[in-house]
Amino acid sequence: DQQVKQNSPSLSVQEGRISILNCDYTNSMFDYFLWYKKYPAEGPTFLISISSIKDKNEDGRFTVFLNKSAKHLSLHIVPSQPGDSAVYFCAARGNSGGSNYKLTFGKGTLLTVNP
Amino acid sequence: NAGVTQTPKFQVLKTGQSMTLQCAQDMNHNSMYWYRQDPGMGLRLIYYSASEGTTDKGEVPNGYNVSRLNKREFSLRLESAAPSQTSVYFCASSGGYGSYEQYFGPGTRLTVT
Repeated sequence: DQQVKQNSPSLSVQEGRISILNCDYTNSMFDYFLWYKKYPAEGPTFLISISSIKDKNEDGRFTVFLNKSAKHLSLHIVPSQPGDSAVYFCAARGNSGGSNYKLTFGKGTLLTVNP
Repeated sequence: NAGVTQTPKFQVLKTGQSMTLQCAQDMNHNSMYWYRQDPGMGLRLIYYSASEGTTDKGEVPNGYNVSRLNKREFSLRLESAAPSQTSVYFCASSGGYGSYEQYFGPGTRLTVT
C-alpha cells in the first residue's frame, strides 16, 4: 500500500513559469512533510519541509502548501529555472512509536524546465 | 565537513558473492539509514539505526544485514548477492528525535550479474 503518492511521473515547464509538483498521502498519522531534489548520479538533497501544524512554508523561490483535510501537499517553484530540472521526491514522517525516525517517500516526479 | 560518504561508488558482483557497503557521517547525527532506489520505485528503506547500538528493519530488509559500528559508521552487507539486488544504494543520516531532515550520501551503484 503506497502511503505517499506522486501521481505525475513527469512535468515539463518553461523557464520563468511556475512549476507545481503534487503529492498525496493516505496516513493521517503523518505530521511532517519534506521535499527532496535529486540530480542524476547524486544523492537526494533536502529542499524544504512543513509541519502539519502549518499550511504554508516558503523559502526563496520554493513554497510548500499543505492541505490536511485533503491529505495533499504541493511544491511551487517560482520562477522556474533550467537548473531546477531534477527528480523531486515528496516524503512524510510518521509520529507513532518506532516510526518516529523513518520517512516514507513517494516515487518521484521528473521536472524538466525548458529554456 | 564531508557530510555523508559512501564507498564504493560502483560495484559489479556475480550472483552469490558477498560484499559490504560502507557509510560514514561527520555531522554527529544519531540516526542512520540505508535505502535502495530502483526505477519507478522511489526510495525504499532497507534498514535504519535510530541511535548507536540499535538497528531495525525497514520496508525491504530481506537479503541484507547491517552493522552500526559506532556513531559515525553504518554498514550494509549482502551475504549472497542476487540479480534482484541490482540497484542504487543510498545511505542517509539525521539528527534523530526532533530533527527529521535526512542527509544523503552520493550513492553506490551495484550491479549483480
